[in-house]
This record gives sequence, structure tokens and C-alpha cells, in this order.
Amino acid sequence: GAVVSQHPSRVICKSGTSVKIECRSLDFQATTMFWYRQFPKQSLMLMATSNEGSKATYEQGVEKDKFLINHASLTLSTLTVTSAHPEDSSFYICSARDAGGTDNYGYTFGSGTRLTVV
Amino acid sequence: KQEVTQIPAALSVPEGENLVLNCSFTDSAIYNLQWFRQDPGKGLTSLLLIQSSQREQTSGRLNASLDKSSGRSTLYIAASQPGDSATYLCAVRGAGSYQLTFGKGTKLSVIP
Repeated sequence: GAVVSQHPSRVICKSGTSVKIECRSLDFQATTMFWYRQFPKQSLMLMATSNEGSKATYEQGVEKDKFLINHASLTLSTLTVTSAHPEDSSFYICSARDAGGTDNYGYTFGSGTRLTVV
Repeated sequence: KQEVTQIPAALSVPEGENLVLNCSFTDSAIYNLQWFRQDPGKGLTSLLLIQSSQREQTSGRLNASLDKSSGRSTLYIAASQPGDSATYLCAVRGAGSYQLTFGKGTKLSVIP
């Protein structure tokens, strides 16, 4: 089945530094990847949609300059949290849509990244 | 704007019981509906996907139904086991959209 690898699983960084999170589709090509944020005991909130080779589309209220998304290839998307602050601490999850047409199989999600900014 | 609601927010049952989790959505113009499982601190595992033209899907002890016209889906878990303890999320993909809208989930605890 489709597998999405997300790294790192946990990261602790100092306030003011930047953190990069990678999301890779291992056995399929992903034209579209999604980035979500999840607060404790809350559901997933879509942050942005990234299409390979084009600029990401951000949801209302998400700062483009703080959350930089790059989707340079069909198997890799990255989320960089720039100048991180404690309020950016959260659980970030990516998901991918199979370019080969797994609209019949739904989306595959990564295992998530727990970001803690101290 | 699509809204997805899951009831109950939490559920505790003894091992062996059959149980039903509920999901409702406000806009019936959907492409599909997907049920996920999330363990604490982990990502999402897809359980079942129901296309808008389907009424139900089954996988092992899990059965998901869809009533698009009434905006409802249920996830039935038969003979529950402690290993079923997790948060179950319902997500709807709108017609003509690639985005999913999630409910807040139902946290299930199966007591041995």
C-alpha cells in the first residue's frame, strides 16, 4: 500500500530558530500534498495545499512567511517553520494524494512531527 | 462551508461489546468519506473509505455506512478489543475538491 514517510518524528528547538519537516511518498508519486496542524485534543486543521512545481495555497490565517512549503518533486514536500516561537509548538502531519489516481483509495498520512519550541 | 461533527467525543466500553461511532456532515455534496484511527502522538491510519455512490464498506470487524442525503456516517466495530482503543476520526472530501474536512474525533477506550 501507499506509504508516506515524515521526518523527524520529534524535534525540540530554541525560540528564533527554524525547523524543517520532510514528507516523502515512498512508493507513489504525489502531485498534491497537504500539511495539517493538530492541537491537543483537537482535530486536524489544514494549513496549506502544495502542488508539485507550484506555490502552495495557504488557508486563511496561516502565515505564508512563517510556514514555508516547498514541493519540488513528486515525492517530496517540506514544511519549514521559520523563526519558531513557543506558540508554534504543535503536532504537524502531512498527507499525500497519489498522482496515479488513488482517488479510489483515499489519502495517506505521515506519522506526524511533534515540534516543541523552548 | 463543510462542518463535520462526531458524537460521542469519548466512549468507554468493556471488551467484547459491539459499538457505533457517529459522524455527521452539513454539506451532502461529497466525493467520499474516510474513517481514520489515530493512536496517541501518532499519525493517521486509514480504516475505511466510502465513495459518495456507496452505502457501506467492510473490513474485518469494521463496517462503515454512509447516508449522503441525511449527511451521516457510522462506524460499527464488532467484538471490541483493548487494541481498538484509539481516537477515531471521520473526514469528508467535498465534491470537486481535494481537501478533507475532519471531525474532532471520538476517543474510544476498550476496558479489558
